[in-house]
Amino acid sequence: GNSVTQMEGPVTLSEEAFLTINCTYTATGYPSLFWYVQYPGEGLQLLLKATKADDKGSNKGFEATYRKETTSFHLEKGSVQVSDSAVYFCALSLYNTDKLIFGTGTRLQVFP
Amino acid sequence: NAGVTQTPKFQVLKTGQSMTLQCAQDMNHEYMSWYRQDPGMGLRLIHYSVGAGITDQGEVPNGYNVSRSTTEDFPLRLLSAAPSQTSVYFCASSPTGADGELFFGEGSRLTVL
Repeated sequence: GNSVTQMEGPVTLSEEAFLTINCTYTATGYPSLFWYVQYPGEGLQLLLKATKADDKGSNKGFEATYRKETTSFHLEKGSVQVSDSAVYFCALSLYNTDKLIFGTGTRLQVFP
Repeated sequence: NAGVTQTPKFQVLKTGQSMTLQCAQDMNHEYMSWYRQDPGMGLRLIHYSVGAGITDQGEVPNGYNVSRSTTEDFPLRLLSAAPSQTSVYFCASSPTGADGELFFGEGSRLTVL
């Protein structure tokens, strides 16, 4: 079946450290891939997306590249801030629908 | 700019009670959906709607009913609550139904005793 696997958290970093959150997927067909972020007490919001192989999504200093050969969509940021502390969800959709399949989420904690 | 509004934010029920979680959006989005969020399981799709009068089941629909009489509203009904329905519920909408960018409400935390 279709699924998304994320690295377990929490991920704990000092401010200005480099961030990688791993995400791999299993899908029939050619999915679109997403990263959503959930700040404390809020709903999820779209962080970035990529719709085809080798596309790079980017936003707010975060980047992720759609790697078809490794079925991965890892999230990276060169220098994290305390304000980046949140839960990050990787997700996919098939056939250009809004029926997203989410990973389990990875909590990021950034300390000054 | 209200976006997606969910009520109530918190609710405690006893097993067997019924209730409705309300969801309203003011963005004229055609697509609306309900997810539940459980620890270690991410978000799972309960029901969704691609427009007024049209609803369909998601991954975990059992124990929940929905209706879509207007574009703005998409209530989620629990007819006989069970402890397994203790969760955080999120309503989401999308303008096109085809690009994956969902706009989420702030969530409703439900506890069933």
